[in-house]
Amino acid sequence: SYELTQPSSVSVSPGQTARITCSGDFLTRKYVRWFRQKPGQAPILVIYKDTERPSGIPERFSGSKSGTTVTLTITGARLEDEADYYCFSAADTWLFGGGTKLTVL
Amino acid sequence: QVTLRESGPALVKPRETLTLTCSFSGFSLTTRGMCLNWIRQAPGKALEWLALIDWADDKYYSRSLTTRLTISKDTSTNQVVLKMTNVDPADTGTYYCARICSLDSSSSYWGQGTLVTVSS
Repeated sequence: SYELTQPSSVSVSPGQTARITCSGDFLTRKYVRWFRQKPGQAPILVIYKDTERPSGIPERFSGSKSGTTVTLTITGARLEDEADYYCFSAADTWLFGGGTKLTVL
Repeated sequence: QVTLRESGPALVKPRETLTLTCSFSGFSLTTRGMCLNWIRQAPGKALEWLALIDWADDKYYSRSLTTRLTISKDTSTNQVVLKMTNVDPADTGTYYCARICSLDSSSSYWGQGTLVTVSS
């Protein structure tokens, strides 16, 4: 099926590791991008090509893939990491996952 | 420097056609590999990809909205237009244009979005 499935929410305490997953049958043959979006702002790219980090994105952000699941990991989450996170890929068309609200408290 | 700016009506009546324009600078849609997307977000909801047009004038649409969408480009004015027919209150949201043309590139540019409300 052409869907990307994310958990609706993830909660961690500051300094803990946050992991957000994104699953899709076609992800074995397609890369994923991860976007972060804060309220009232346009999304920004935090991971591309499954595991690559754009310049300017802190090292605590990393990506990994296993089979049909990709994972965004934030090691040592900070209060400012609280946001909505979306995975993005291409099946027959581009599509986003349903988004994950990360709470850091 | 790449910039994108969305424009269009803030309020549209149900069953009307919504026309949105993305004005861009810093690149050309005649350059191989370039593209522009339209993406929307209903209030409190997830991002939803709508359409893409590329340098070769190839067009791609969301499967769920393909019958209602038309995307076009004007390379002389550096604009991309999205038309959405027969709008409904469920089409209310912020509409973004974004330059996202591949999954293996770090290139990612978004406009600030334009809020469209569908209401009578």
